[in-house]
Amino acid sequence: EAGVAQSPRYKIIEKRQSVAFWCNPISGHATLYWYQQILGQGPKLLIQFQNNGVVDDSQLPKDRFSAERLKGVDSTLKIQPAKLEDSAVYLCASSSRIAKNIQYFGAGTRLSVL
Amino acid sequence: KQEVTQIPAALSVPEGENLVLNCSFTDSAIYNLQWFRQDPGKGLTSLLLIQSSQREQTSGRLNASLDKSSGRSTLYIAASQPGDSATYLCAVRPGVQGAQKLVFGQGTRLTINP
Repeated sequence: EAGVAQSPRYKIIEKRQSVAFWCNPISGHATLYWYQQILGQGPKLLIQFQNNGVVDDSQLPKDRFSAERLKGVDSTLKIQPAKLEDSAVYLCASSSRIAKNIQYFGAGTRLSVL
Repeated sequence: KQEVTQIPAALSVPEGENLVLNCSFTDSAIYNLQWFRQDPGKGLTSLLLIQSSQREQTSGRLNASLDKSSGRSTLYIAASQPGDSATYLCAVRPGVQGAQKLVFGQGTRLTINP
């Protein structure tokens, strides 16, 4: 079974530029999560989707971050414009009720904002 | 608001030693608790999941315990090996109905010296 796929693995941009990350969850997983992990900290949930609907985006900085999950499969997370403090690893995870809602994580995208 | 703390932040021990990693959480109303392993440049790998009704879980050389009333969990690693070197993260799933997000600690960076 293929795992959670994320791309790109690394991205370097200058502040005020925009960037987008892509995530393909495990096949059949209805729930998709985006986490932000700043160096030296644990991951923090940004947004959770159930199919193509948003369940929780309470910690998403909506003035600059946006996410979508068209057709309830792949998802993209966008930052526009980026700030220095957005430098982090962005992790995507997916889960399914059949698999007891255990979250499976992708390798992440490491973003550096200069 | 649920907060998760892991102590120590870093730990270095010689190969073969048994060791304990600690995790504490502020709100005892949890659905479950998970221990993850994170290798540099990689995503998170789930090691053990303890339901709120359970006291411990074991997998090979790993044993995780949960004391919900005191808000504590420990991860015991027996006969440590250099391959165990990684960052270990503790995460709780809040007990709020429908909430599937995980709240993470900041992690313990473990180094096993040959």
